[in-house]
Amino acid sequence: DAGVIQSPRHEVTEMGQEVTLRCKPISGHNSLFWYRQTMMRGLELLIYFNNNVPIDDSGMPEDRFSAKMPNASFSTLKIQPSEPRDSAVYFCASSLAPDGNSPLHFGNGTRLTVT
Amino acid sequence: AQSVTQLGSHVSVSEGALVLLRCNYSSSVPPYLFWYVQYPNQGLQLLLKYTSAATLVKGINGFEAEFKKSETSFHLTKPSAHMSDAAEYFCAVSEGYSSASKIIFGSGTRLSIRP
Repeated sequence: DAGVIQSPRHEVTEMGQEVTLRCKPISGHNSLFWYRQTMMRGLELLIYFNNNVPIDDSGMPEDRFSAKMPNASFSTLKIQPSEPRDSAVYFCASSLAPDGNSPLHFGNGTRLTVT
Repeated sequence: AQSVTQLGSHVSVSEGALVLLRCNYSSSVPPYLFWYVQYPNQGLQLLLKYTSAATLVKGINGFEAEFKKSETSFHLTKPSAHMSDAAEYFCAVSEGYSSASKIIFGSGTRLSIRP
């Protein structure tokens, strides 16, 4: 099992550019979560999907952020246009979540720097 | 809505000493509780989870946690700290009893180990 795979590991971009972060969950997991981690705000849940359907996107900070899950093995988080305050580590996690007690399996994150 | 509070953003202990990381939760239903560990430049990894089977839960690397309903606590302990335990630790709570549940994380406690 390769675990949750995120790409890229690091992304440096200029303000105003579009950024796309990618995630491949563990095969067989039916829930996928996007988190953002910063020193100031800690670990924030942005959005999560169940069976490829967005369940709760209340954590998405602004309309500049969007997430998709076109199939069970792939998800993207897009920021357009990016701003310096979006700089953070973005984590993707997946779980079996049959009844809510299944633990999350995290990827190694994408460190985003917006200059 | 559920929430979790971790007391102490930074804890420092000597190698061989007892480790105690505090977590209090708020939940309207019997919760699922988790402890995760994050090493530098990595995603979070599950240490242990409580799912009502037993109040004392044993996890990996010699850690354990005790669920105390009367105190709404789920503190993490290890009898003897090792240098390799230095990391950030997150307590998390889930009220989910369906596949549409989500896990909420605390703000984290950074554990330092003194030689």
